[in-house]
Amino acid sequence: DTEVTQTPKHLVMGMTNKKSLKCEQHMGHRAMYWYKQKAKKPPELMFVYSYEKLSINESVPSRFSPECPNSSLLNLHLHALQPEDSALYLCASSGLSTATNYGYTFGSGTRLTVV
Amino acid sequence: EDKVVQSPLSLVVHEGDTVTLNCSYEVTNFRSLLWYKQEKKAPTFLFMLTSSGIEKKSGRLSSILDKKELSSILNITATQTGDSAIYLCAVEIRNNAGNMLTFGGGTRLMVKP
Repeated sequence: DTEVTQTPKHLVMGMTNKKSLKCEQHMGHRAMYWYKQKAKKPPELMFVYSYEKLSINESVPSRFSPECPNSSLLNLHLHALQPEDSALYLCASSGLSTATNYGYTFGSGTRLTVV
Repeated sequence: EDKVVQSPLSLVVHEGDTVTLNCSYEVTNFRSLLWYKQEKKAPTFLFMLTSSGIEKKSGRLSSILDKKELSSILNITATQTGDSAIYLCAVEIRNNAGNMLTFGGGTRLMVKP
């Protein structure tokens, strides 16, 4: 299995809703990432989990709350989002040694629209 | 601050042309440079480069890293309309918190029939 699976693929939520994005990988990668990508812009790093511990938080607002229940799963909990948070949210994973020659593997993303 | 710059920003060519995309970087603790192709969804991995001067090839695509010049190029020969996409360069760095990617702004390639 060389995939990162993200669900849902599309999500429309109101500003008062609470929702979660899910990400799963079974490649044995011990680093997992959340990126946010706005239209016509490159992905921007939000969070990095290394061995299931949060190692990098790129000053992301608290309305985004990541969670790593185990080494294969990564969630992003959303609450009280703003319309400007509408974007493509990408999950990625990597082997910390980067010896696999696959580099980072990205999921297909969740396209989030906040109304 | 780590920086990755891609050029040109956009490019329009005709089928059969050869294109060269550029990526330059200024980072600390460089580990690798990666190229991705992005159409409508997630970036698709193309190459990972760690050693200077060794060309990596996949079909009509090839890439090489120059650590002395802190740069990389991505070549596409005999372009096809299916090559139309945004090409992203990313540099992997390692710091105390772990490994992370810094992306360039991308090159938008359009191949006309």
